[in-house]
Amino acid sequence: KAGVTQTPRYLIKTRGQQVTLSCSPISGHRSVSWYQQTPGQGLQFLFEYFSETQRNKGNFPGRFSGRQFSNSRSEMNVSTLELGDSALYLCASSTSRDRPSTDTQYFGPGTRLTVL
Amino acid sequence: AQKVTQAQTEISVVEKEDVTLDCVYETRDTTYYLFWYKQPPSGELVFLIRRNSFDEQNEISGRYSWNFQKSTSSFNFTITASQVVDSAVYFCALSEARTSGSRLTFGEGTQLTVNP
Repeated sequence: KAGVTQTPRYLIKTRGQQVTLSCSPISGHRSVSWYQQTPGQGLQFLFEYFSETQRNKGNFPGRFSGRQFSNSRSEMNVSTLELGDSALYLCASSTSRDRPSTDTQYFGPGTRLTVL
Repeated sequence: AQKVTQAQTEISVVEKEDVTLDCVYETRDTTYYLFWYKQPPSGELVFLIRRNSFDEQNEISGRYSWNFQKSTSSFNFTITASQVVDSAVYFCALSEARTSGSRLTFGEGTQLTVNP
């Protein structure tokens, strides 16, 4: 079974721009979560989508948003980029069920975003 | 609020040595799950183990073993006869069934370097 895939793998943007990252979950997985990893803050939860609905959200400003499509693929968007948004963005998928779930999350290789 | 602490920032060992990575957690939930992930230089988080709060049995998988002790809120990870390929950052994570659901709270990570 193919793992979680993320595109693009690397991205360079300038301050003020916006960016969209894509994640394709493992086949059959309905939940997709996003995490930000930085040297200073470590791994932090951004949000989770299940059946095209956001059902869990971390403590990030509204510039960070996401969505999920009917095939469970997900995108996250960051608008008005700041230098501090430079990070590795990791996507994870899990089988989940129709409730908040603690099923094991399997991670993709990440998208490394650099903001200049 | 949930919290995970990995006090060891970096550990360096010589190949074939045994090494233990410490993880201490805090939670008010009675039902929770603990995880260990490995992050090699490529960046992807690789799932190693998931343990629920009602199962305190220790687990062994090849050279890997895990010791879960609710009395001390610890979930330590031991690698026996370490190998150079074990070099990576290892993260301990917590998920609470009632309060945070799918959200994983990660520790700071331990950088393990195994020297030949």
